Amino acid sequence: LAKTTQPISMDSYEGQEVNITCSHNNIATNDYITWYQQFPSQGPRFIIQGYKTKVTNEVASLFIPADRKSSTLSLPRVSLSDTAVYYCLVGVGGSQGNLIFGKGTKLSVKP
Amino acid sequence: DSGVTQTPKHLITATGQRVTLRCSPRSGDLSVYWYQQSLDQGLQFLIQYYNGEERAKGNILERFSAQQFPDLHSELNLSSLELGDSALYFCASSASLQGKDTEAFFGQGTRLTVV
Repeated sequence: LAKTTQPISMDSYEGQEVNITCSHNNIATNDYITWYQQFPSQGPRFIIQGYKTKVTNEVASLFIPADRKSSTLSLPRVSLSDTAVYYCLVGVGGSQGNLIFGKGTKLSVKP
Repeated sequence: DSGVTQTPKHLITATGQRVTLRCSPRSGDLSVYWYQQSLDQGLQFLIQYYNGEERAKGNILERFSAQQFPDLHSELNLSSLELGDSALYFCASSASLQGKDTEAFFGQGTRLTVV
């Protein structure tokens, strides 16, 4: 599985746009990039998945450059309720099919 | 609601005992994953099943075992419990192993307390 690197923590204020970047230099050709959100004592929740360029849904956008060695999760106009840990995963569909979570990025949104 | 059901929600048991955690995946999902999350720790991957067969193993202790039944529900068995086994245990399911539809949906977890 491709290893991912993301910031340990980020701070933001309500109403701001937050961009969390994940590096995955060894991403394989058939790997998808998936982001999850986790609140304390809850299971992770799927946010968005993409393969290349840009993907947008009702909660976030995912930007993937042409070389796919990194990706950026963009959360528009965050609120206090977006305070959570965000995980970037690649290779979830790899040969072993298992999901390995790193330490994630702890986002703190302040009023 | 993710569609993944875990029972029980809470479990308190004594050291040395054996417990079984149950997971019902989303309808149609063939892959089931089990994770352990201790207080303020990351998600530790334990084991994965796909359509009844073990697919991948992570940091699962020999005292732990799991299986996926023909109806696709899964059970995680924890035996000879120790205080350090106290944690949240999550189950997740996904439709596919590769490509699209690999996003996983997590249950609400079982909080195990060993006293």
